[in-house]
Amino acid sequence: EDQVTQSPEALRLQEGESSSLNCSYTVSGLRGLFWYRQDPGKGPEFLFTLYSAGEEKEKERLKATLTKKESFLHITAPKPEDSATYLCAVQALGNAGNMLTFGGGTRLMVKP
Amino acid sequence: DSGVTQTPKHLITATGQRVTLRCSPRSGDLSVYWYQQSLDQGLQFLIQYYNGEERAKGNILERFSAQQFPDLHSELNLSSLELGDSALYFCASTSRQGEAFFGQGTRLTVV
Repeated sequence: EDQVTQSPEALRLQEGESSSLNCSYTVSGLRGLFWYRQDPGKGPEFLFTLYSAGEEKEKERLKATLTKKESFLHITAPKPEDSATYLCAVQALGNAGNMLTFGGGTRLMVKP
Repeated sequence: DSGVTQTPKHLITATGQRVTLRCSPRSGDLSVYWYQQSLDQGLQFLIQYYNGEERAKGNILERFSAQQFPDLHSELNLSSLELGDSALYFCASTSRQGEAFFGQGTRLTVV
């Protein structure tokens, strides 16, 4: 069974204080690992897809990296508007429907 | 805006009742996925349709059913509702690369 664990559950940062969010996964074969941002009461917003170990992707203050067992979302010099829940999900090879298995998320709060 | 449209945004209903949630995928996307998000369970996959056919099933209760119509919109039917069915219900459609784009969800409250 595919499993995704995110840590920490919650993270409080001061504006400008860089940090990383962790996503550990267990999957029979990885088709893709996805990062989403979710604001309260809204749908998840797609950020990145990573397909193979060693791959990195960047978008503004966010950088996602992938190893064979985990992924990190690095946040550089965060701003209050980066406050949200960040979700990690995996898509397994041989999965007929290509559905996503999500982790529980990390709730990020950035204080000015 | 993801391009995925869900209606209604909010729904309040009594236990034992039946409701229908509607989803229109992004233009050109053939797949529709339904997910449930509750406080204690996180985002859970319910069911997927591809071009009108059921493709995959997840943790979907027998009281719940779905279908996808020829115009590719989908409906999720929830019946004999219980308090524990209160949750956010999301619909998503996927690009050719497998990236899922989510709608804004329907918040269901069962009282």
